[in-house]
Amino acid sequence: KAGVTQTPRYLIKTRGQQVTLSCSPISGHRSVSWYQQTPGQGLQFLFEYFSETQRNKGNFPGRFSGRQFSNSRSEMNVSTLELGDSALYLCASSLEGVGPASNIQYFGAGTRLSVL
Amino acid sequence: AQSVSQHNHHVILSEAASLELGCNYSYGGTVNLFWYVQYPGQHLQLLLKYFSGDPLVKGIKGFEAEFIKSKFSFNLRKPSVQWSDTAEYFCAVIWGNAGNMLTFGGGTRLMVKP
Repeated sequence: KAGVTQTPRYLIKTRGQQVTLSCSPISGHRSVSWYQQTPGQGLQFLFEYFSETQRNKGNFPGRFSGRQFSNSRSEMNVSTLELGDSALYLCASSLEGVGPASNIQYFGAGTRLSVL
Repeated sequence: AQSVSQHNHHVILSEAASLELGCNYSYGGTVNLFWYVQYPGQHLQLLLKYFSGDPLVKGIKGFEAEFIKSKFSFNLRKPSVQWSDTAEYFCAVIWGNAGNMLTFGGGTRLMVKP
């Protein structure tokens, strides 16, 4: 079974631009969460999508947004990029079935975004 | 705000030494607890988890962790580390009905000297 796939793996953008990152969850997984990882702030939760609806949202400005499609694939978008948005963006998927074990999150390799 | 603390930012051990990494979380009711590991150049992988039941949980690669509710702690242990355990370790918590919102600790970088 293929793991969580994130594309692209690397991105270089300039300040003010916008960017879209993509995440394909493990087949059959219905929940997708996004995290930002930086050396200074560590791993921080961005948002979670389930059944095409945002279920939880972290403490990030409105420039960060996301969506989920009917096939559970998800995208996140960052508009008006700032230097501080440079980070590794991680996607995680979980099954969302019955029982707590179905909520285990499996992570992708991430997209490394550099903002110049 | 709910938070997770990992007290050791960097740990250096020799092979065969015992390992214990601390993790404490702020009070907040029902919790699901996790340890993830990130090997150099690889993605985050689940080491072990606690949802309920026996507070001593065993994970992959000989790791175990003990949930002590009264201390809000979930420390990770391994009796004898190997060079291949060199990695960054993250403790994470999901509180109550927070869906899949993981709150991570700051991580502990472990270096094992051969």
